Amino acid sequence: QVQLVESGGGLVKPGGSLRLSCEGSGFTFTDYYMSWIRQAPGKGLEWLSYISNSSHHRSYADSVKGRFTISRDNAKKLLFLDMNNLRVEDTAVYYCTLGSYWGQGALVTVSS
Amino acid sequence: SYELTQPPSVSVSPGQTARITCSGDALPIKFAYWYQQKSGQAPVLVIYDDNKRPSEIPEKFSGSSSGTMATLTISGAQVEDEGDYYCYSTDGNGDQWVFGGGTKLTVL
Repeated sequence: QVQLVESGGGLVKPGGSLRLSCEGSGFTFTDYYMSWIRQAPGKGLEWLSYISNSSHHRSYADSVKGRFTISRDNAKKLLFLDMNNLRVEDTAVYYCTLGSYWGQGALVTVSS
Repeated sequence: SYELTQPPSVSVSPGQTARITCSGDALPIKFAYWYQQKSGQAPVLVIYDDNKRPSEIPEKFSGSSSGTMATLTISGAQVEDEGDYYCYSTDGNGDQWVFGGGTKLTVL
């Protein structure tokens, strides 16, 4: 069955950086576009970014464009989200998604 | 940037039909997806491609779309259907995806 497992969350100071990883299994990793979605505490869902299966096409929400970078390593079945210049408002649970399949989420807390 | 608009809340009595709307300019040409999120849990897809239901989702959930509005209908809503519902779609170019603000469904 499809499994998505995020890692790399944690506490970081404003202006800092963090890399999230997502390991996929139970499906042909190279066949699918993948996305990152987040949810701030008590708030709604926010789409952040997607990447095509070949990495040729990527798109970002305006809120993270220029600060976050999505990438993937198909050989290792890994999806990444590099987050730079983090802000307090980036505090959220970050989900790796493949269509209707979601990981368990990784908590990122940005606080001084 | 593209936006999807949902009512903040919908309330029905048990056994009634709940309808949650989602409006967006690109909905005439782009599919709508609907997610259910119960407290403390990850979202679950209940409707995809406007009106298709994943096999594990009960028949009480249905979707439709007409013009710039998509609608999620929950027939015979029960207390266990309470939660937040989000519509999800993409802009006209298919490049930027967006969630609606979410609708809190209360059944009481």
